[in-house]
Amino acid sequence: NAGVTQTPKFRVLKTGQSMTLLCAQDMNHEYMYWYRQDPGMGLRLIHYSVGEGTTAKGEVPDGYNVSRLKKQNFLLGLESAAPSQTSVYFCASRTLTSGRARETQYFGPGTRLLVL
Amino acid sequence: RKEVEQDPGPFNVPEGATVAFNCTYSNSASQSFFWYRQDCRKEPKLLMSVYSSGNEDGRFTAQLNRASQYISLLIRDSKLSDSATYLCVVITGFQKLVFGTGTRLLVSP
Repeated sequence: NAGVTQTPKFRVLKTGQSMTLLCAQDMNHEYMYWYRQDPGMGLRLIHYSVGEGTTAKGEVPDGYNVSRLKKQNFLLGLESAAPSQTSVYFCASRTLTSGRARETQYFGPGTRLLVL
Repeated sequence: RKEVEQDPGPFNVPEGATVAFNCTYSNSASQSFFWYRQDCRKEPKLLMSVYSSGNEDGRFTAQLNRASQYISLLIRDSKLSDSATYLCVVITGFQKLVFGTGTRLLVSP
């Protein structure tokens, strides 16, 4: 199993450009999440999904959109990138099953985004 | 006030030392608690869950104090490989995980 993968690993954008970050998981997890991590701010939840076809806003959703058309994929879109969106983006997934497995959130390796 | 607060450190300790971190949370209805470890420029990984009765995993001991609303992580016999950032994570409400900003640990020879 590859676990959680993210594409791309690194990207440079100009202000106003758009892009989509792809997260894929092969563990059949129900829940998927997008976080951003900035120095001194910790991980902040952007959007999350509790199942295929459903999404919800997290703590810092402005400027981002998401889609979960397939259970294994969770896409994060930036419609018009701004320098304030320079960050490291982590995707994560978690299962619904009970027990210790449910407690673990598995993270992807991250996408480093620089907006100039 | 942040939902989850941690001392950012860094905590500089020599190999073999014992070190402890605390994490406070503001929501008394918080349900589950965890410690994650994050290495530089890597993704966070679950270190251990924190149970009400306290739990131990090798050199690591986690404890929960609901009355004072904090959790702790104790690392005994520190190794160089323990150098990392330790993230406190609290589940509050429906599937909402809240991360602390992390405590950085540096173990030196």
